[in-house]
Amino acid sequence: DGGITQSPKYLFRKEGQNVTLSCEQNLNHDAMYWYRQDPGQGLRLIYYSQIVNDFQKGDIAEGYSVSREKKESFPLTVTSAQKNPTAFYLCASSTPGYSNQPQHFGDGTRLSIL
Amino acid sequence: RKEVEQDPGPFNVPEGATVAFNCTYSNSASQSFFWYRQDCRKEPKLLMSVYSSGNEDGRFTAQLNRASQYISLLIRDSKLSDSATYLCVELKGSWGKLQFGAGTQVVVTP
Repeated sequence: DGGITQSPKYLFRKEGQNVTLSCEQNLNHDAMYWYRQDPGQGLRLIYYSQIVNDFQKGDIAEGYSVSREKKESFPLTVTSAQKNPTAFYLCASSTPGYSNQPQHFGDGTRLSIL
Repeated sequence: RKEVEQDPGPFNVPEGATVAFNCTYSNSASQSFFWYRQDCRKEPKLLMSVYSSGNEDGRFTAQLNRASQYISLLIRDSKLSDSATYLCVELKGSWGKLQFGAGTQVVVTP
C-alpha cells in the first residue's frame, strides 16, 4: 500500500543529544514537509522540500536540520540547540505542482526529553 | 490576529443531531482550504477540500464565505465515530504550504 512511514513512534532524547526522525514515502510525491504539534495548538511547519537536494526553512526551523538525498526520504534531526523538543512530529507529502493537492500525513513520532 | 482561527470547543452533540462550526481566515486572497480530522494522538486525515463556494460529501458539508472570510463545516446525523478534532487548513501559495488552525473539538454523545 502507498503511504508515509514515520519511525520511531516514540523517542526519548537526553540533554545535549541529537536525534533523527525518519520519514519515508512511496507515493511518488515531490514535496515533503515536517510539522510540529504541541497540545492545543495547530501544526507548525519546521522544514519543507519541494525537490530532491533542496529544502527550505519553515516557520520554526531553529534547532532542527533536514536532508533530502532521495525523493522517498526526508529525515529530520532535532539538535541539542532545540531547547523544547517535546512534541508530536508529523511528516507529510504532496504533489505541489498541482496547487490544490492536499498533504497526506504519516502517523507521527512523539518525542520526549528524558 | 492568527491567520486561521477556530473555536476550540468542545461542541457536545447528541448522536443523530447536526453540528456546525466556523473557521475564519485573515488573507482575503486565499482560495483553497481543507478540513482535516484528527483523532486523539493520531495524525490528521483529510476530510474534504473546499475550493470554490463549498463541497458536500455524505453527511459533511463545507461552505466558503469569501465576503466574510470564513469556512464552515456542518455534520448531519452525527455518529459517535465523528468525535474528533476538526482542523481548518488554508492553502498558501502554489507550492502547497498549509496554514493550520488549532482545531475544533467535537464530542458526540449517546
